[in-house]
Amino acid sequence: DAGITQSPRHKVTETGTPVTLRCHQTENHRYMYWYRQDPGHGLRLIHYSYGVKDTDKGEVSDGYSVSRSKTEDFLLTLESATSSQTSVYFCAISLLPGNYEQYFGPGTRLTVT
Amino acid sequence: AQTVTQSQPEMSVQEAETVTLSCTYDTSENNYYLFWYKQPPSRQMILVIRQEAYKQQNATENRFSVNFQKAAKSFSLKISDSQLGDTAMYFCAFMNYRSNDYKLSFGAGTTVTVRA
Repeated sequence: DAGITQSPRHKVTETGTPVTLRCHQTENHRYMYWYRQDPGHGLRLIHYSYGVKDTDKGEVSDGYSVSRSKTEDFLLTLESATSSQTSVYFCAISLLPGNYEQYFGPGTRLTVT
Repeated sequence: AQTVTQSQPEMSVQEAETVTLSCTYDTSENNYYLFWYKQPPSRQMILVIRQEAYKQQNATENRFSVNFQKAAKSFSLKISDSQLGDTAMYFCAFMNYRSNDYKLSFGAGTTVTVRA
């Protein structure tokens, strides 16, 4: 399972509240990703990181921010949650360099009421 | 952005039979990777198989094999001798490894149900 954990696994929150999701890896991989999964869309990239303090936006980054202060942790923050951010969120790591495969955490189901 | 299309929202197959899932993609790149991921009801995303575009030989992993047609931009997955544990949603994904982000672009998924 590539040593990836996500917390919390489930969360229900109210519109307008801040929410932080955590991704933790145990194997010092450089590249980490946050995707969201919605019906009819597959998974879409929110943000990614290519090292400590090195992050960039994906295709659906509006309303989200990320931080990576340690190699092992990649945080996703919803500054003010909206109902459109109700989704399942997956963290992934890449085995780069040399291997382009990505492995995923167990996912976090977030419901914004 | 790359476009990945899975035209079959749902498929059903009898146990021990074969099922083929289709995937097409749009790219102007010549070098890239393609993947199939499986997502069972547990929600975990599991890598099933990968294909490097520069390799002409189709990838195979046990009962899973692909038919990679580069000119047609097609990447289908064949599941042979289907088992009840193959029931899952399957996602096709594309990666342009010349980009800086090495991100995956996913199709919408195909739900496969294996009947006993």
